[in-house]
Amino acid sequence: NAGVTQTPKFRVLKTGQSMTLLCAQDMNHEYMYWYRQDPGMGLRLIHYSVGEGTTAKGEVPDGYNVSRLKKQNFLLGLESAAPSQTSVYFCASRFSELPYNEQFFGPGTRLTVL
Amino acid sequence: AQTVTQSQPEMSVQEAETVTLSCTYDTSENNYYLFWYKQPPSRQMILVIRQEAYKQQNATENRFSVNFQKAAKSFSLKISDSQLGDTAMYFCAFPSQTYKYIFGTGTRLKVLA
Repeated sequence: NAGVTQTPKFRVLKTGQSMTLLCAQDMNHEYMYWYRQDPGMGLRLIHYSVGEGTTAKGEVPDGYNVSRLKKQNFLLGLESAAPSQTSVYFCASRFSELPYNEQFFGPGTRLTVL
Repeated sequence: AQTVTQSQPEMSVQEAETVTLSCTYDTSENNYYLFWYKQPPSRQMILVIRQEAYKQQNATENRFSVNFQKAAKSFSLKISDSQLGDTAMYFCAFPSQTYKYIFGTGTRLKVLA
């Protein structure tokens, strides 16, 4: 099992450019999450999905869109990148909502917006 | 509101010594779990240990153990016999019943040779 994978690992964008981050999991998990990690702020939830075809907003959704067309994939899109979106982005998945299920994380994507 | 607080942004410990990382939380839920995650310099987050609120016995995983005090809503992580490989960011996390995880801001631990 590859677990949770993220593509790409690094990316540099210019302000106004768009891009899509891909997250894939091979554990048949229902729940998937996108976080951003900034110094001193821990992990902040951008969007999440509780199953194929569903998405919901987290605490910092502005400027991002997501899609979950297939159960194993969760895409995060930036339509018009801004310097404030410079961050490390993590995808995570979880088998179910039961509280003992931990989240499994991808290796992260470092995004720089110039 | 459910919150998780880690009040120690940075800590250091000598190799082979013991260190305790603090975490407090606030919730009105009765049955829940608490987690500690480790994020080494490689960035990959991995689960260190989990604790069920209904269990009075503190969880232990090799050199890692917790001190769980439900009434005080405290969930600290003790690392015994610290090793250089323990150098990492450590996050306390609480999975709320709204499908989301609530993370603390993290404690950066440096193990000194």
